[in-house]
Amino acid sequence: NAGVTQTPKFQVLKTGQSMTLQCAQDMNHEYMSWYRQDPGMGLRLIHYSVGAGITDQGEVPNGYNVSRSTTEDFPLRLLSAAPSQTSVYFCASSRQAVDGYTFGSGTRLTVV
Amino acid sequence: AQTVTQSQPEMSVQEAETVTLSCTYDTSESNYYLFWYKQPPSRQMILVIRQEAYKQQNATENRFSVNFQKAAKSFSLKISDSQLGDTAMYFCAFMRSGTYKYIFGTGTRLKVLA
Repeated sequence: NAGVTQTPKFQVLKTGQSMTLQCAQDMNHEYMSWYRQDPGMGLRLIHYSVGAGITDQGEVPNGYNVSRSTTEDFPLRLLSAAPSQTSVYFCASSRQAVDGYTFGSGTRLTVV
Repeated sequence: AQTVTQSQPEMSVQEAETVTLSCTYDTSESNYYLFWYKQPPSRQMILVIRQEAYKQQNATENRFSVNFQKAAKSFSLKISDSQLGDTAMYFCAFMRSGTYKYIFGTGTRLKVLA
C-alpha cells in the first residue's frame, strides 16, 4: 500500500514548455485533488475530482488541465509554463470527507 | 466565501511544555469539518487531528487536542509535552460538508527548543 505517489519530485521548466505532473493512489479513493503551495499563502486548490470521468475547477485553475480516466490516476497538465507557476504541487486523495485527505510528497516545480 | 485565519506566523516552545496554535474561520454553513495538518521539513503533509462540526466533544489524538468553539468559529490546537519532532509548519483547514474542498490557513511555523 503505497498511498499517494507523485512524480517527479523536482522539475525545472523553461517558460512556455508543457509538462504533466503524475499522481496515483492505490487506496481506491474516489476523491482526488491538486493543490499548490506558495510562501505565505497556504495551499490553494487547483482542480479536483469526485470520481472517474468527473473533474471540476478549484480556486486557481488557470493554466492547468486535469483528467480522471481511472480511479487511481489524476494527472495535472501545465499547458504553457509561466514563472508564476513556480510552486510546490500536492496531490491528495480521500475516501470520505471526515477522514481528511491523504497527501502525496509533493513536486517542487521551478519555471525559469 | 469561507476563510481561514491563522494569526500566529511563528511560535516557539520549550521541549516538554505545552503550546496552543490558534485558528479562526468564517462561514455561514452549519455542517463542516475542520482539520489540522503538520508539515515537517520533509514537506509531507500529515493529518494531525480532525473535528466534525456537529460534534460538541473536542477531538483528541494522544498529545494533540483541539478547543473547538463553534459559536466563536475558533479551532485551536494544543500540543502537550512538546517534542523536538513537533517542529513543523502547522496548517488549519476547513471543509464544507459535501464539497471535498479544503480551504487552508496560511500556517504557523512552530519551533520546539531543546
